[in-house]
Amino acid sequence: EAGVTQFPSHSVIEKGQTVTLRCDPISGHDNLYWYRRVMGKEIKFLLHFVKESKQDESGMPNNRFLAERTGGTYSTLKVQPAELEDSGVYFCASSRQFDTQYFGPGTRLTVL
Amino acid sequence: GENVEQHPSTLSVQEGDSAVIKCTYSDSASNYFPWYKQELGKRPQLIIDIRSNVGEKKDQRIAVTLNKTAKHFSLHITETQPEDSAVYFCAASSSYIPTFGRGTSLIVHP
Repeated sequence: EAGVTQFPSHSVIEKGQTVTLRCDPISGHDNLYWYRRVMGKEIKFLLHFVKESKQDESGMPNNRFLAERTGGTYSTLKVQPAELEDSGVYFCASSRQFDTQYFGPGTRLTVL
Repeated sequence: GENVEQHPSTLSVQEGDSAVIKCTYSDSASNYFPWYKQELGKRPQLIIDIRSNVGEKKDQRIAVTLNKTAKHFSLHITETQPEDSAVYFCAASSSYIPTFGRGTSLIVHP
């Protein structure tokens, strides 16, 4: 089966700009998760979708981050306006039930 | 909330040696402990996991041990090979959201 895909793989933007990250989960996986890893630190949970509904968004840093999953398929994570501290690798993962999560390759975001 | 500490941050071994990565967790309710391997430029991949009703689990050259009383768990890799070089993440969860450690960069020298 095809794995989780993310687009773009890299994004370099200037402070104040907007960036939208996309995640396509494994087909049939209702659960979709967003994580972020800042260099050298742990992978931190951002939020969790079950189908199109936000199940848990306790990890979202602030209201500059907006995640959507219209139709319960792919998801987008928008950062507007981006700040320097938003730099990091954003991972998406999906799972069928509440079990093994399969990660995407990540999007490396650099805010200058 | 859960807090996971992982050590060491970097581990360098010679091919054929064993490698051990240790993690501690704080939430006694945690009952699922996955380990992920992330090779350079690739995605994190689950390599082994253990649940709290089991003390040890093995899969070929890798094994994980869990001490619930002490709240620590470890990853053991025997007969290391250069392709084992990667960043390894431990995690602990009591729900569906794992809390990750900071990762261990394992370097296996040929």
